[in-house]
Amino acid sequence: RKEVEQDPGPFNVPEGATVAFNCTYSNSASQSFFWYRQDCRKEPKLLMSVYSSGNEDGRFTAQLNRASQYISLLIRDSKLSDSATYLCVVNVYNQGGKLIFGQGTELSVKP
Amino acid sequence: DAGVIQSPRHEVTEMGQEVTLRCKPISGHDYLFWYRQTMMRGLELLIYFNNNVPIDDSGMPEDRFSAKMPNASFSTLKIQPSEPRDSAVYFCASGQPPDTQYFGPGTRLTVL
Repeated sequence: RKEVEQDPGPFNVPEGATVAFNCTYSNSASQSFFWYRQDCRKEPKLLMSVYSSGNEDGRFTAQLNRASQYISLLIRDSKLSDSATYLCVVNVYNQGGKLIFGQGTELSVKP
Repeated sequence: DAGVIQSPRHEVTEMGQEVTLRCKPISGHDYLFWYRQTMMRGLELLIYFNNNVPIDDSGMPEDRFSAKMPNASFSTLKIQPSEPRDSAVYFCASGQPPDTQYFGPGTRLTVL
């Protein structure tokens, strides 16, 4: 089983749609959580951290459920510019603090 | 700040040749990471350094791969000899703290 698993995608949605990505992680020692965004043929970039209480950044909302070892990302009112691959990332302290990346979920927002 | 700088951006080489990838981290970041990304395996951590010291190299695929960080502003990843299965995009990232990482633009390596 992979340490971080994501919806396989791709997600094809119209502009203005709400889309949700899910992610599960296997290591209960995971301590911090993130969503990264990667545009085609570009490097990954930090989108947002994920906190236990849930957090919001404009149209983006991230949620964490430690009991279920589950992370989500909700994008409201999607824009063409949101088209990218979204990577779920966990930091496992008992593995030296390194980041473990999911395979990513591709999002394509259409006009 | 210019961000993480990697060179070359593209490298095409023949099997058996030595390949050296270079990275300049963001000034002030104590952590430096080397990743490899392929369609099949996704993004994999190869090795990371803290204050120029290698901390975890468990992701380095085999002895053909080596990495050094002679000072706080420079690191190299070397593959010798290279093989076609090494073809991938290699990213360098730096961070402070280590879980907030900034990636360089990557080196796209093709081994023929």
